[in-house]
Amino acid sequence: TQLLEQSPQFLSIQEGENLTVYCNSSSVFSSLQWYRQEPGEGPVLLVTVVTGGEVKKLKRLTFQFGDARKDSSLHITAAQPGDTGLYLCAGAYAGGTSYGKLTFGQGTILTVHP
Amino acid sequence: DTAVSQTPKYLVTQMGNDKSIKCEQNLGHDTMYWYKQDSKKFLKIMFSYNNKELIINETVPNRFSPKSPDKAHLNLHINSLELGDSAVYFCASSRRLAGGPTGELFFGEGSRLTVL
Repeated sequence: TQLLEQSPQFLSIQEGENLTVYCNSSSVFSSLQWYRQEPGEGPVLLVTVVTGGEVKKLKRLTFQFGDARKDSSLHITAAQPGDTGLYLCAGAYAGGTSYGKLTFGQGTILTVHP
Repeated sequence: DTAVSQTPKYLVTQMGNDKSIKCEQNLGHDTMYWYKQDSKKFLKIMFSYNNKELIINETVPNRFSPKSPDKAHLNLHINSLELGDSAVYFCASSRRLAGGPTGELFFGEGSRLTVL
């Protein structure tokens, strides 16, 4: 069974602080995605990373893919209350019976207080 | 127009009953999925269909039966509901198989099933 460990599970911070969420596995991903989910809605894709060592920026969000493609991180600078939500990483393990199947991490519930 | 729509949004029923959840996508995608999100927010794939063909069938009790009448629809029927089936069920679609550069998942709003 391929597992994706996401940490921390809960994060409660003040507006303006920085934070990092981690996603780790012992297996190699063909690609990794980060999603954000708000209450009562489905997850929405933030980014897909494919190449080892890749860094992508989305405004105040920075996504990194590990060189070995086994881990990823999401860093948010100067968090705002609007960043509050559930953040999910999801890895794809290409090949064999796993092709096309995304495995999700346990999620990080982020609360940013004004 | 909602890209991925699923009905009903809320479902409260008794143990032992049979219920269905319907899903439709108007994105022209080839692949559709059912995911289950438990009370701890863990999201786990149940089934996936590509061009109406079942391609992913996780270890799910055979009380759960998906059906894809066409590429735009994927329904989920659940027989003999149990307490442990209570969860939020998400339908999703993607243009290509999930995970690759073109494998973005588009999720519906979810169907919250409560079994009493």
